[in-house]
Amino acid sequence: SAVISQKPSRDICQRGTSLTIQCQVDSQVTMMFWYRQQPGQSLTLIATANQGSEATYESGFVIDKFPISRPNLTFSTLTVSNMSPEDSSIYLCSVDHEGYLETQYFGPGTRLLVL
Amino acid sequence: GQSLEQPSEVTAVEGAIVQINCTYQTSGFYGLSWYQQHDGGAPTFLSYNGLDGLEETGRFSSFLSRSDSYGYLLLQELQMKDSASYFCAVREGGANNLFFGTGTRLTVIP
Repeated sequence: SAVISQKPSRDICQRGTSLTIQCQVDSQVTMMFWYRQQPGQSLTLIATANQGSEATYESGFVIDKFPISRPNLTFSTLTVSNMSPEDSSIYLCSVDHEGYLETQYFGPGTRLLVL
Repeated sequence: GQSLEQPSEVTAVEGAIVQINCTYQTSGFYGLSWYQQHDGGAPTFLSYNGLDGLEETGRFSSFLSRSDSYGYLLLQELQMKDSASYFCAVREGGANNLFFGTGTRLTVIP
C-alpha cells in the first residue's frame, strides 16, 4: 500500500487569495488524482495528474482555477486560485494501487475554509 | 454520463447485518469498488468486484450483478466502529479514473 501525506492539513484563507496544496507519496506512481469533497457529500474528481504531461481536468474544473503541477513520480501540487467561500471544502489526493485504478489510496485531506 | 445511487442513511444495531445497495448507470463498465470513510478521515478501499458474484473479506462482503447494474456491500457482526460513510465507485469503460456514488451514512447503535 502507498502512504500519502498532504500539506497543509487545514487552512483558513481570505477570498481572492490562492493556496497551494502539496501531496507526497512514498513510492513512485504513474497517476495522481485530486478530489474535492464538500462536507457530507461525495467525492468529485477535479483532475488527473500524470508526470511529464498536462493534467486532465474534469467537466466543471479549469486549469486557471486549479493549476496542477506534477514534477516527479512521487509529488504533486494543486493550487486553488482566487478563492471564494464556495471553494471551502476538503481537497484530497489519491493514487492507484500498482496501476489498478479501482483501488485507490487517499491522503488525509486538506480542509480549506475561505472567508 | 454516469450515475450511482445509494441510500443516504442506514441505521443498524450492533452485532446485526446490514446491506448497502448501489445501482449504477454507466457507458461501459469495468467493475464496482467500495470505500469507507470515517468522519474527518480519508476514504479507504474496502472491496472490488470485477465479475458477478460475491467477494468476501472478513466481516465485509461485496456483491455485483452486471445484468442488473446493481451491487451491494454487506457488513456482518456490526461493530460501533463501522459507523462511517460508505461509497460505491465505478470506473467507466475507457476512463482512467473513478466516479463515486452519493454515499451512505451508516450509524451503528447499541
